[in-house]
Amino acid sequence: QVQLQETGPGLVKPSQTLSLTCTMSGGSFSSGNYYWTWVRQSAGKGLEWIGRVYSSGGSNFNPSLKSRVTISVDSSKNQLSLRLSAVTAADTAVYYCAGGKGTAIYSGSDLNYYYYMDIWGKGTTVTVSS
Amino acid sequence: DIQMTQSPSSLSVSIGDRVTISCRASQVIGNFLNWYRQKPGAAPELLIYAASRLQSAVPSRFSGTGSGTDFALTITSLQPEDFATYYCQQSYSAPYSFGQGTKLEIK
Repeated sequence: QVQLQETGPGLVKPSQTLSLTCTMSGGSFSSGNYYWTWVRQSAGKGLEWIGRVYSSGGSNFNPSLKSRVTISVDSSKNQLSLRLSAVTAADTAVYYCAGGKGTAIYSGSDLNYYYYMDIWGKGTTVTVSS
Repeated sequence: DIQMTQSPSSLSVSIGDRVTISCRASQVIGNFLNWYRQKPGAAPELLIYAASRLQSAVPSRFSGTGSGTDFALTITSLQPEDFATYYCQQSYSAPYSFGQGTKLEIK
């Protein structure tokens, strides 16, 4: 059974770069056709989708964070990473890594591909404060 | 960006009740809609994808309906573990936004 675990510093100073790692047990970030996603949750904004990478390449990011976000996979370490630069107090949140293979479903002659997240880590709390 | 709006924000209910939560998208998203349940202190867990498809191992008391802009999650016969917060998420286009959540509280 695949399990995800986020790790990283619980406290980051304003203007610095937040770096988090997601480690997988029971599977590999580079195998299968999975999307690997970072989501965060703060009291003020609820759940916020940060971005995703596809196991065979490709990525999408939230435009509101795109200029500050890097998401990458280190296959040698079987880790997914998130880097968020120039953080402010507004970046204080619980950060989750999550994954999903998605499902292809025919609707008439159209084949639609449905993206969702069915594997989640437990989350890690990051506070931005001096 | 697509905005997702849930209603109500909270609901007081009893064990055994039937509950319906609504989710509205700011534009047409077909049936590209997911539902998640988040228990206190835990990560979200997928309940439904493609608006009405039950995720494997999710109890049949959960069901989803809707397409276009209006969607609903129905829980029949509420169980103790269902007192949680529920989120919809559109999977139509990035950024894949969530609703603000609906919290089910014990009456």
